[in-house]
Amino acid sequence: ELKVEQNPLFLSMQEGKNYTIYCNYSTTSDRLYWYRQDPGKSLESLFVLLSNGAVKQEGRLMASLDTKARLSTLHITAAVHDLSATYFCAVSRDDKIIFGKGTRLHILP
Amino acid sequence: NAGVMQNPRHLVRRRGQEARLRCSPMKGHSHVYWYRQLPEEGLKFMVYLQKENIIDESGMPKERFSAEFPKEGPSILRIQQVVRGDSAAYFCASSAGRSSYEQYFGPGTRLTVT
Repeated sequence: ELKVEQNPLFLSMQEGKNYTIYCNYSTTSDRLYWYRQDPGKSLESLFVLLSNGAVKQEGRLMASLDTKARLSTLHITAAVHDLSATYFCAVSRDDKIIFGKGTRLHILP
Repeated sequence: NAGVMQNPRHLVRRRGQEARLRCSPMKGHSHVYWYRQLPEEGLKFMVYLQKENIIDESGMPKERFSAEFPKEGPSILRIQQVVRGDSAAYFCASSAGRSSYEQYFGPGTRLTVT
């Protein structure tokens, strides 16, 4: 059974700091996703990672994928308050997407 | 190009009533997926449908839940005799094809059972 584990589940950090969210998954998958969700809202797709060594960056967020270690990271650089949200890692296999529990990120001004 | 549409956005039902949630996929998409999100949790896959066919319902509870995607009209997720534990956000996603195609998520329907 494909499982996705994220850590940490909660993260409170100061503006301007850097931090990394980790995502481990249990078996091979087709692709890996990172989503952002604001309270009461739907999912916003941030990154789709397809192959080993893939790295994508958008603004202060950078995602990477190591398929051999079954590990993805979401790195936040010089955090700003607007990045406060819940971030989900997810992997797809056999038509369905399996989500982690999410990392609730709170950035203090 | 309108995205995935869901309605209603909020639904309140008393225990024992029926809930019907609707999902209109993006234009050109014939694959629909339903996910449920309990409070403080990630989304969990429920069912995958193509037009008039259920492809994978491995995440659907065995009782009270059903889904359809008719030839015409939106996909419907139906919950009969709702209980408090059914309170959740239900998200629909659509894609243009299987596996290698990205799924696009709708805004969700928040079901509250009182």
